[in-house]
Amino acid sequence: QSLLTQPPSASGAPGQRVTISCSGSNSNIGNNFVYWYQQFPGAAPNLLIFRNDQRPSGVPDRFSASKSGTSASLAISGLRSEDEADYYCAAWADSLSGWVFGGGTKLTVL
Amino acid sequence: QVQLVESGGGVVQPGKSLRLSCAASGFTFSSYGLHWVRQAPGKGLEWVALIWYDGSNKYYADSAKGRFTISRDDSKNMLYLQMNSLRAEDTAIYYCVRGDGSGWPEYFQHWGQGTLVTVSS
Repeated sequence: QSLLTQPPSASGAPGQRVTISCSGSNSNIGNNFVYWYQQFPGAAPNLLIFRNDQRPSGVPDRFSASKSGTSASLAISGLRSEDEADYYCAAWADSLSGWVFGGGTKLTVL
Repeated sequence: QVQLVESGGGVVQPGKSLRLSCAASGFTFSSYGLHWVRQAPGKGLEWVALIWYDGSNKYYADSAKGRFTISRDDSKNMLYLQMNSLRAEDTAIYYCVRGDGSGWPEYFQHWGQGTLVTVSS
């Protein structure tokens, strides 16, 4: 059981907007930054969002994220077929002195 | 550009040991914290261990404490993970990941392609 809770799946049609939630607690999301990673089948994860809402260079502005209290969310607008992937949230957990990941959300573009 | 190349994976019997290595290039190795993150087949990501940029502090997931040891050799730009008393549940792809180098805690900025460890009799 992950300390960060994500929905196992999400879906949307091309061009639509989809959001993926990540719920935690005061000892992880509530007190630390949230990070988002994108992983395609058979490939290593890739940094998508850092420090709650910052996009690394090269990540399209269709990807955005926010954090409020002990929850965070990733939004993908103008959905494209190439966005089909697994998405993971992550945060440092003060109570564990370690990192925790969400269980991952599989995004399907209909 | 940043390159992280893992090696040392393979099939190992339960209770045995294995050492993973990660060869780094394309950045000033001694300036960054480094992680091991694993992913069991068909499962999600699990952080395993972190070593500070200077090796002075190490952190482990509960699943790794007492069995795994993370270390680094800055003279060779190498990261290691010594895994002892391996169990079937340690079967996973192990990723070497570089931190961001700018704060605490260092997040997972650059990932290697991973090496597969299979624990089976």
